[in-house]
Amino acid sequence: EVQLLESGGGLVQPGGSLRLSCAASGFTFSSYAMSWVRQAPGKGLEWVSTISGTGGSTYYADSVKGRFTISRDNFKNTLYLQMNSLRAEDTAVYYCAKTTGDGFAFDIWGQGTMVTVSS
Amino acid sequence: SYELTQPPSVSVSPGQTARITCSGDALPKQYAYWYQQKPGQAPVLVIYQDNERPSGIPERFSGSGSGTTVTLTISGVQAEDEADYYCQSADSSGTYVFGSGTKVTVL
Repeated sequence: EVQLLESGGGLVQPGGSLRLSCAASGFTFSSYAMSWVRQAPGKGLEWVSTISGTGGSTYYADSVKGRFTISRDNFKNTLYLQMNSLRAEDTAVYYCAKTTGDGFAFDIWGQGTMVTVSS
Repeated sequence: SYELTQPPSVSVSPGQTARITCSGDALPKQYAYWYQQKPGQAPVLVIYQDNERPSGIPERFSGSGSGTTVTLTISGVQAEDEADYYCQSADSSGTYVFGSGTKVTVL
């Protein structure tokens, strides 16, 4: 069964840091780009970042560029999101998502992990 | 970056047809994708590449497009189809965009 399991969310003060992890199983992890998508409370979906299957290419939304870093460990089948200089507006559920074969969408999603930025 | 525009809400009676539109200048050049999200759950891909259904998605879900507007159609709506629906597109530079979402209410 294809599965994504996020962890690492929690409460952090403004300006703080947090690292999210996403453990993947049931598919050839290194063959697919992986992404993070977030959803603020009561709001819509927002794409955050994508990393290629090899890890050699990364992409970021303007709202997180320079503060967040996406990475992956293909030996551990794990995706990461390092979040620095966190702001209140980063408060959201963060979903890990497998990118489709064509690279243009997301066909498998994790259950999400909540990040709350507040003093 | 570009935007995708959806109506905030659509209401439909059981057994009727719901149509959700998504408009964006880039849609004639890029595929559209649709997701269903129920409260407290992760999104589920229901349409990919404008009009293809992933395995396990009921046949009552279909997609179409014309010019700068794409449409998700739910034929014979059931109570379980009540959810938020998001369109999404992407470009070759690695940027992904979601529409603002449409809440479908089954009366």
